[in-house]
Amino acid sequence: RKEVEQDPGPFNVPEGATVAFNCTYSNSASQSFFWYRQDCRKEPKLLMSVYSSGNEDGRFTAQLNRASQYISLLIRDSKLSDSATYLCVVNKRAGGSYIPTFGRGTSLIVHP
Amino acid sequence: DGGITQSPKYLFRKEGQNVTLSCEQNLNHDAMYWYRQDPGQGLRLIYYSQIVNDFQKGDIAEGYSVSREKKESFPLTVTSAQKNPTAFYLCASSTGQGTNTEAFFGQGTRLTVV
Repeated sequence: RKEVEQDPGPFNVPEGATVAFNCTYSNSASQSFFWYRQDCRKEPKLLMSVYSSGNEDGRFTAQLNRASQYISLLIRDSKLSDSATYLCVVNKRAGGSYIPTFGRGTSLIVHP
Repeated sequence: DGGITQSPKYLFRKEGQNVTLSCEQNLNHDAMYWYRQDPGQGLRLIYYSQIVNDFQKGDIAEGYSVSREKKESFPLTVTSAQKNPTAFYLCASSTGQGTNTEAFFGQGTRLTVV
């Protein structure tokens, strides 16, 4: 089983739609979680951290379910500019530090 | 402005050659990482370093080597032993402290074997 798993998609949605992505992780000791956005042929950039109580940033909402070991990202009122790959990241403990461990990403295509 | 700089952006290598990818950061971060990304795939960890003069193998270290002589620099050498080196290489850094530390990325180097 991979450490971080995501449905690769693609998710093909019209503008204005609400779309949700899920991600599961295997290490129950994982402490911190993130969603990154990666545009085609570019580097990943942090979209948002995921907190235990859930958090919202504008149209984006992230949730964490520790019992089931999954993380979700909800995008409301999708824009054409939201088209990208969304990477789920879990910081895996390694000695005294934490190593960002990536899922393969979920592709989102927003069409007019 | 603080950030991570990777160079070159594009690199072509002949089979049998070693090449070195540069990664420099001025964020004063302790931890640095190298990842490889293949088309349609996620990022796979090659090597990481938590402190100067120390580094550890990641999941796919075979055919690669690194050094960490300075805090700011973490170059990656792709050796001729790497069987399939064509890929997008990403360098990242983080404070490495505490659990909730995000990683910052350079713009990547796209390596092609010709």
